[in-house]
Amino acid sequence: DGGITQSPKYLFRKEGQNVTLSCEQNLNHDAMYWYRQDPGQGLRLIYYSQIVNDFQKGDIAEGYSVSREKKESFPLTVTSAQKNPTAFYLCASSALPGQGTEAFFGQGTRLTVV
Amino acid sequence: GQNIDQPTEMTATEGAIVQINCTYQTSGFNGLFWYQQHAGEAPTFLSYNVLDGLEEKGRFSSFLSRSKGYSYLLLKELQMKDSASYLCAVRDRGYSTLTFGKGTMLLVSP
Repeated sequence: DGGITQSPKYLFRKEGQNVTLSCEQNLNHDAMYWYRQDPGQGLRLIYYSQIVNDFQKGDIAEGYSVSREKKESFPLTVTSAQKNPTAFYLCASSALPGQGTEAFFGQGTRLTVV
Repeated sequence: GQNIDQPTEMTATEGAIVQINCTYQTSGFNGLFWYQQHAGEAPTFLSYNVLDGLEEKGRFSSFLSRSKGYSYLLLKELQMKDSASYLCAVRDRGYSTLTFGKGTMLLVSP
């Protein structure tokens, strides 16, 4: 089955540690995105990538880093510089405009920093 | 940039019809999306509008007026399982990214 997979579903880390969230898709989508969701805040864009080996900052990129070495994979690292990392993280992918429409989301990773 | 507004909460009764509004101000426009999100789960795609008018898909319909920067999602024959957050999102023409509103929490009661 085609889809987008995030792992793990729940993640706990100690303050000051870096942590990497996995996102893999087998939909052959060119574009991939990372969003953060906090209660009452909606989804906010962290980073996005439209092609392998290229990515752009979203609205709240500070304290995060990404890589796009393969079309299928777009991991997100939450660094110790992120002041408030506890949140629900959502990865999404889509075909580029003109080739498709909606973005498909993974199941999310709930990160708790203690 | 984009600014998207939608009501925070709405309540409705099982079997009724509810309309969730979304207004947006945008520097570029390449489509408006509606997603449904149950608590703790991923958003799932409901509808897409890029031209003015009404798109119907089963119990759900979505309307767009580009000149007014306005959309609504219409849910008919409400069921308890429709209790969820409904997210309005606009795609920017230049970047292909989606900007989301804060979502409307819909509570359906018996």
